[in-house]
Amino acid sequence: GDSVTQMEGPVTLSEEAFLTINCTYTATGYPSLFWYVQYPGEGLQLLLKATKADDKGSNKGFEATYRKETTSFHLEKGSVQVSDSAVYFCALSDPTAAGNKLTFGGGTRVLVKP
Amino acid sequence: ETGVTQTPRHLVMGMTNKKSLKCEQHLGHNAMYWYKQSAKKPLELMFVYNFKEQTENNSVPSRFSPECPNSSHLFLHLHTLQPEDSALYLCASSQVTGFRGGPGELFFGEGSRLTVL
Repeated sequence: GDSVTQMEGPVTLSEEAFLTINCTYTATGYPSLFWYVQYPGEGLQLLLKATKADDKGSNKGFEATYRKETTSFHLEKGSVQVSDSAVYFCALSDPTAAGNKLTFGGGTRVLVKP
Repeated sequence: ETGVTQTPRHLVMGMTNKKSLKCEQHLGHNAMYWYKQSAKKPLELMFVYNFKEQTENNSVPSRFSPECPNSSHLFLHLHTLQPEDSALYLCASSQVTGFRGGPGELFFGEGSRLTVL
């Protein structure tokens, strides 16, 4: 079945540091890929997405590129802020399946210190 | 109100109690979901409803009973739970555009934090 693997946290950074969170996936078809973010005490919010190979999703300074050859969708941000402290989830959606069922990675907690 | 709202935000119950979690979406979506988020475990899909019909039951124990009376409301009825059922229960909705699903984006509520004593 489909699966998503992302690096375990916590990741602790200083403000303005570069952030990378690795995500790789296995899927039988050509999935859509997502990054969701969960701020403390809140539900998950979509951060960015990509629906086909070589697409780049971007939002709030975060970027991720759909790499079919390496089955990866790594999340990057060039200069993090304290407000980026959250848990980040990589996810995929199989477009051939009925309904939108997301398969999530385990989440990576990011802590940005001033 | 906008988005997906869940009530209650926090619930403490004994193992013999019966309680319900409620979810309401104001986005006009046609699919709703229950996910379970436990510490140190990936998000687990529990149930999926498309057009009010249950299309997925991910081997969830019968002590969890979902109900979807219309496309805007989703309930999770709880009875005789175990302490290991303590978790954050997240409701989500999305727009499914056909058999092949849709853009895949889910909109989540803030969750109901359940503690089973």
